[in-house]
Amino acid sequence: AQTVTQSQPEMSVQEAETVTLSCTYDTSESDYYLFWYKQPPSRQMILVIRQEAYKQQNATENRFSVNFQKAAKSFSLKISDSQLGDAAMYFCAYRSSGGSNYKLTFGKGTLLTVNP
Amino acid sequence: GAGVSQSPRYKVAKRGQDVALRCDPISGHVSLFWYQQALGQGPEFLTYFQNEAQLDKSGLPSDRFFAERPEGSVSTLKIQRTQQEDSAVYLCASSFYVERGGELFFGEGSRLTVL
Repeated sequence: AQTVTQSQPEMSVQEAETVTLSCTYDTSESDYYLFWYKQPPSRQMILVIRQEAYKQQNATENRFSVNFQKAAKSFSLKISDSQLGDAAMYFCAYRSSGGSNYKLTFGKGTLLTVNP
Repeated sequence: GAGVSQSPRYKVAKRGQDVALRCDPISGHVSLFWYQQALGQGPEFLTYFQNEAQLDKSGLPSDRFFAERPEGSVSTLKIQRTQQEDSAVYLCASSFYVERGGELFFGEGSRLTVL
C-alpha cells in the first residue's frame, strides 16, 4: 500500500517570503499522480498543484511550484511571495494511475502560518 | 449547483443514535467519494461511486456505515448506532470522471460529534 509522509506538522513564514513544505511517499508503482491540496478553516479542500510522475518537468502554478524527485520519492511544495491568504493546512496526496486510480492517499498535513 | 454541497455542516449525536449525512455533487459529475477526516489527520477514503454504482466500499470502517447514491446524483452516508470514535469531519468530493484524470472538487464537510 502507498503511504504519504509529511514530516513538518507546522511551518511559519513571513509575508512576502518563500517557504517549502516537504512530502515523501512510498510506492512500488512507476506511474502515478501527486497533488498538493490546501484546506483553510472553512474545511473545503482546494487543489493547489498536480504532478504526473511520468513528466520530468516540475509543475508550477503562479506562486506555487514543486520539486519532484522521483528516485528519492520526494515531492515538496514551494510557495513564493507568501500572502496572508496562504495560511491553511496543506496536504500532500498520492493517486495511482493503475487499478485503483481513483483513491487519494493523503499525508497528515502541515499547518502553515503566515505572519504579517 | 456551483459546487459540492454537504449538509448538515455540524451534527451532534448521542452515542447509539443513527445519523445521515447528505452530499449534493456538482451537476453532471459521474464520480463521487466519501472521505473521513479525524482531528489532526489527513482524509481517509471511505467509498466510491460511479453514477449509482458503488464500486468500492473497502474504506468503510464497519457495517454500521452505509452509503448510497440511488439516482446517480445526491448521495447519503448513514452511520448507525454511532460511537465516539465516529467523531470526525466527513468530506464528499465529486469529479466529472476521475479515472480519466478529472479533478476532484470537495465540499466543506460535515463535522460529526458523538457524545
